[in-house]
Amino acid sequence: DTGVSQDPRHKITKRGQNVTFRCDPISEHNRLYWYRQTLGQGPEFLTYFQNEAQLEKSRLLSDRFSAERPKGSFSTLEIQRTEQGDSAMYLCASTIVSSYNSPLHFGNGTRLTVT
Amino acid sequence: QQQVKQSPQSLIVQKGGISIINCAYENTAFDYFPWYQQFPGKGPALLIAIRPDVSEKKEGRFTISFNKSAKQFSLHIMDSQPGDSATYFCAASPAGSSNTGKLIFGQGTTLQVKP
Repeated sequence: DTGVSQDPRHKITKRGQNVTFRCDPISEHNRLYWYRQTLGQGPEFLTYFQNEAQLEKSRLLSDRFSAERPKGSFSTLEIQRTEQGDSAMYLCASTIVSSYNSPLHFGNGTRLTVT
Repeated sequence: QQQVKQSPQSLIVQKGGISIINCAYENTAFDYFPWYQQFPGKGPALLIAIRPDVSEKKEGRFTISFNKSAKQFSLHIMDSQPGDSATYFCAASPAGSSNTGKLIFGQGTTLQVKP
């Protein structure tokens, strides 16, 4: 399977702890996106990278959130001092910018529960 | 501010029937309108997408109808099957063709197709 891979699938943490998620995009894709999805809602854009450069961050991405894509391949999303409101599904997606109408391919997400 | 409004929230259709989901948008700068299908525990998967230069696009049993003047678009699923039971999201891209990965999603419609 050469789709978008996310790890872990589930993470339970206590409030105040730090967590880190990993995303491996489809290998030839140069753009990588992070979205957050809460129960019963559509995904919300958080940030995206083109190669290793982070080009945009949503206002939803507080200072406790940081994302990296150090070598333009995999990406990590870290949440510091987690809060109960951070409980959500974190989705990673990738695409290739060179193609018109290039579809966005999503991974199966990391479900975070903050207790 | 909700920029893409989706209805209905839930839909029950008999096998073989037509499922219709509607979306309305506010921002006239949107120029890419995809529909995603999501099964429980999975990430969204692209079903079909349209640009505003056409009024309709059909792929198999799935059709998008687009009304630019009304700022509305809809998904029609013909001959609905139990395997189509999922949550459907409309979305819109606020940027130009170079960034179809930054999407604003509707709230989702849960479709149940009864055998």
